[in-house]
Amino acid sequence: GEDVEQSLFLSVREGDSSVINCTYTDSSSTYLYWYKQEPGAGLQLLTYIFSNMDMKQDQRLTVLLNKKDKHLSLRIADTQTGDSAIYFCAERESGTYKYIFGTGTRLKVLA
Amino acid sequence: DVKVTQSSRYLVKRTGEKVFLECVQDMDHENMFWYRQDPGLGLRLIYFSYDVKMKEKGDIPEGYSVSREKKERFSLILESASTNQTSMYLCASSSDRVREYFGPGTRLTVL
Repeated sequence: GEDVEQSLFLSVREGDSSVINCTYTDSSSTYLYWYKQEPGAGLQLLTYIFSNMDMKQDQRLTVLLNKKDKHLSLRIADTQTGDSAIYFCAERESGTYKYIFGTGTRLKVLA
Repeated sequence: DVKVTQSSRYLVKRTGEKVFLECVQDMDHENMFWYRQDPGLGLRLIYFSYDVKMKEKGDIPEGYSVSREKKERFSLILESASTNQTSMYLCASSSDRVREYFGPGTRLTVL
């Protein structure tokens, strides 16, 4: 079946950039997503990218998509302590209503 | 703003009990989903529904059933709760377009 993989942990210092990586398997996915989950809360959509795009920027967030390598990344510039959370990569399985989520990357921002 | 609500934030049940988790959305979305979230495993799809009275199994349906009698409400039922069903349960809804909206989650503990 389809699979989405992420590393489990990332630790950065406040003010540095964070880069969270994700690989996926469904080459026909139309949309790819980044969700953020703060402690004790549900998932909040951060941003998404359409599969015919290479890059999307939204304030401190930059999403890069490499379709050839099936690699998606999320860069957070000037990382703040409030960015500490779990970040999930997800793809929408083509032709279905189903979303496939990665394991999540726990980002810890050190003051 | 889209709102997805779940009936309980925290729930403690005993092994063998029948458990109902309720989810309500207010945006007339066709699609609704139930996931469970476990550390290191990310989100795994239990069941989803694309219309009233319609349901489809996700990746881990064993031990669960669902009910969708009204468009806005999607219920997850644990017929006989077991300790390995202790988890965070997340409900989501979506239209046929781009994104999913998540509820705050229900942390279920089965003793």
